[in-house]
Amino acid sequence: DAKTTQPPSMDCAEGRAANLPCNHSTISGNEYVYWYRQIHSQGPQYIIHGLKNNETNEMASLIITEDRKSSTLILPHATLRDTAVYYCITFNFGNEKLTFGTGTRLTIIP
Amino acid sequence: NAGVMQNPRHLVRRRGQEARLRCSPMKGHSHVYWYRQLPEEGLKFMVYLQKENIIDESGMPKERFSAEFPKEGPSILRIQQVVRGDSAAYFCASSRSRTAADIQYFGAGTRLSVL
Repeated sequence: DAKTTQPPSMDCAEGRAANLPCNHSTISGNEYVYWYRQIHSQGPQYIIHGLKNNETNEMASLIITEDRKSSTLILPHATLRDTAVYYCITFNFGNEKLTFGTGTRLTIIP
Repeated sequence: NAGVMQNPRHLVRRRGQEARLRCSPMKGHSHVYWYRQLPEEGLKFMVYLQKENIIDESGMPKERFSAEFPKEGPSILRIQQVVRGDSAAYFCASSRSRTAADIQYFGAGTRLSVL
């Protein structure tokens, strides 16, 4: 799986959009980009995933650049409950393990 | 529709004892994955199983650790003769299939403490 690079920490004001970047410059054509988050010591929670196109669900939006070398997770209206470590992961069939890096620790400021 | 269920949530063992961690996948899921998280670190893959088969155990320590996913019942991660270094959070995930488009959903984890 492609290695991903994320900033170690970010702050965001409550109610504002949180934009979390991820670099995956060595991603291959059949690798998906997945985002999970881990709140405190709970189990990782799936957020969103995509291959080429931008994706949106009830939790977040995922913007993938045209060359697929980077992506951005957008939480449109951050709340205090969004404080967590966010992991960007690339993943493809034939190598089913999710490889978690160190993620971005997002802190939502009241 | 219950999520991935892990038990126990907390497990305390003395050095040399055995630890058994259980994972019941989501309904309709036949693929199970085990991950370990040491304090202040990210999750590390251990093993991937499909009903009655181990598909990938590349992340499992060579000794003392074993996993199974029988035809009936939960998946079991077994650690024999535990040592202090086994203290960690163990997470199980399940998915419906093995395609990259199929999401792995995680349980709440079992926190193992070795005294």
